Amino acid sequence: DTAVSQTPKYLVTQMGNDKSIKCEQNLGHDTMYWYKQDSKKFLKIMFSYNNKELIINETVPNRFSPKSPDKAHLNLHINSLELGDSAVYFCASSQGGDYGYTFGSGTRLTVV
Amino acid sequence: AQSVTQLDSQVPVFEEAPVELRCNYSSSVSVYLFWYVQYPNQGLQLLLKYLSGSTLVKGINGFEAEFNKSQTSFHLRKPSVHISDTAEYFCAVSEGGATNKLIFGTGTLLAVQP
Repeated sequence: DTAVSQTPKYLVTQMGNDKSIKCEQNLGHDTMYWYKQDSKKFLKIMFSYNNKELIINETVPNRFSPKSPDKAHLNLHINSLELGDSAVYFCASSQGGDYGYTFGSGTRLTVV
Repeated sequence: AQSVTQLDSQVPVFEEAPVELRCNYSSSVSVYLFWYVQYPNQGLQLLLKYLSGSTLVKGINGFEAEFNKSQTSFHLRKPSVHISDTAEYFCAVSEGGATNKLIFGTGTLLAVQP
């Protein structure tokens, strides 16, 4: 069983479209995160939810909206996609500071 | 605010040679320190972590790192690398707390050559 799973793995879409990425974890962790990795491999945190409550909301365009229906799921919806949104998006979960994060395998989003 | 600096964007090394990947951090409070590895087209995998106690921590795949508080460093080392160690390595810092936000360095590509 995959600990943190993301779908889809690859997503190619046109500018202006709306798309969603789904994430699920079966580790029983309370906290989930979305990170964006750009073309230079830089990882930047976007959002975090703790038991369905938003606790981190970095400087991200409001076209990005996270949703957490329960503590095992954290989805990312992106409206009006732009070329600059092309990146790899990683979902992660954690049970506290001294445990580190467990990452999903990533979703490569390409906007054309 | 915390930050992480990985000075080397790429480290080429021959197989079976030793390697050190450098990491320096900045924080006003006590931190947790991590090293993650990312193989091509994969997610990030935890190599090792420093929480407290012994400053030398051992991780998976023969890697180890040493925490140096006075130099605010957490360098990663391996005495003998293999081709399969070729990957991107990320140092990260967390102040723990309610958000447990993990801040990453810019990564170092370890390129092992035969």
